[in-house]
Amino acid sequence: AQSVTQLGSHVSVSEGALVLLRCNYSSSVPPYLFWYVQYPNQGLQLLLKYTSAATLVKGINGFEAEFKKSETSFHLTKPSAHMSDAAEYFCAVTSSGGYNKLIFGAGTRLAVHP
Amino acid sequence: DAGVTQSPTHLIKTRGQHVTLRCSPISGHKSVSWYQQVLGQGPQFIFQYYEKEERGRGNFPDRFSARQFPNYSSELNVNALLLGDSALYLCASSLGDRAEKLFFGSGTQLSVL
Repeated sequence: AQSVTQLGSHVSVSEGALVLLRCNYSSSVPPYLFWYVQYPNQGLQLLLKYTSAATLVKGINGFEAEFKKSETSFHLTKPSAHMSDAAEYFCAVTSSGGYNKLIFGAGTRLAVHP
Repeated sequence: DAGVTQSPTHLIKTRGQHVTLRCSPISGHKSVSWYQQVLGQGPQFIFQYYEKEERGRGNFPDRFSARQFPNYSSELNVNALLLGDSALYLCASSLGDRAEKLFFGSGTQLSVL
């Protein structure tokens, strides 16, 4: 069964610093991988997705992620954090049977301080 | 264009009661999925409906049921509520039956007392 592990439930960075949110997955077949962001009292917004094309995926708001099959990782990065990046971030993988559902990690709460 | 709309936004129920949550997908989207997000956890898949047929069901008890109407809107029903059912219930819609591009609503926050 697929699973997603997000290392670090809370990450704190200074404004302007590098953001690195870690995600590892387990899947028996090549998955589709996603990063979603959730702001307080809101639903999930898609940041970026990997669907077996380029391994380096660029998303919205300056975020990008790199798919590394050998490491089963899909870490999310942003070169320079902004205060508005403070939110909860979820990594997700599609189910292998039918690709009709997402399996989410537990989430990482990103705090950005001045 | 309107996004995915869910109603109500907040709901308070007591144990043993029944609840109905509603979701309207983006116009033209034929698939609706439901996810439960317990505080401090990632969303968990409950159901997917595509073209009014159930296409997937997560590991939830039979107290949870759903349906999709001819206009592609959907209802999630939960019977005999337990304290552990307190969560944010998210609805997502997509054009096709795959989860490659889901659009999520803002959710219904259910509190069971």
